[in-house]
Amino acid sequence: QKEVEQNSGPLSVPEGAIASLNCTYSDRGSQSFFWYRQYSGKSPELIMFIYSNGDKEDGRFTAQLNKASQYVSLLIRDSQPSDSATYLCAVNMLVPPRSGGSNYKLTFGKGTLLTVNP
Amino acid sequence: DAGVTQSPTHLIKTRGQQVTLRCSPKSGHDTVSWYQQALGQGPQFIFQYYEEEERQRGNFPDRFSGHQFPNYSSELNVNALLLGDSALYLCASSSSPGNYGYTFGSGTRLTVV
Repeated sequence: QKEVEQNSGPLSVPEGAIASLNCTYSDRGSQSFFWYRQYSGKSPELIMFIYSNGDKEDGRFTAQLNKASQYVSLLIRDSQPSDSATYLCAVNMLVPPRSGGSNYKLTFGKGTLLTVNP
Repeated sequence: DAGVTQSPTHLIKTRGQQVTLRCSPKSGHDTVSWYQQALGQGPQFIFQYYEEEERQRGNFPDRFSGHQFPNYSSELNVNALLLGDSALYLCASSSSPGNYGYTFGSGTRLTVV
């Protein structure tokens, strides 16, 4: 099983609709979860993070976390053509470092390509 | 406020050559992680540096090595380049290797011919 899996996409929605992006992860010890947006040819840009079960809203974006189900999602309301991008789910997993102490490793899913049609 | 700076932005190398990529972390950050992103894939973790030590390593061969300097900047070195090493190389910095978000640089696009 892959560590972080995303719905494969691509996902196409009309302008103004709600886009729903999903992600599951394998490590029950994971403690923080991130959604990055990546435009073609650009680097990832952090748009949301969530640590606790439930919903977290920021403008048109809502992140949802269910640790029991090892599931995290991102909802984009009133989707705009400018939201068209690849959305990457990333999970910060606690792993033993090679040289002592505690450490986290940010692990990404493959990404979901979202297209918002005008 | 300077973000994460990577250099060069683009690079073309020949198979078998060696390459060095550079990264300066965001002000206030002391941990640097390197990722390789092939076309159509998510970023793959290469390794992480903190306190000038390699703290973690992903599933990459020893041809990939790195270094962190006292000013927290970092280098990624790749020896004996293969065509399959062609990718976007991303540097991400964070404040200690903790449970926080990471800030990414704009990346270095490496093409091996």
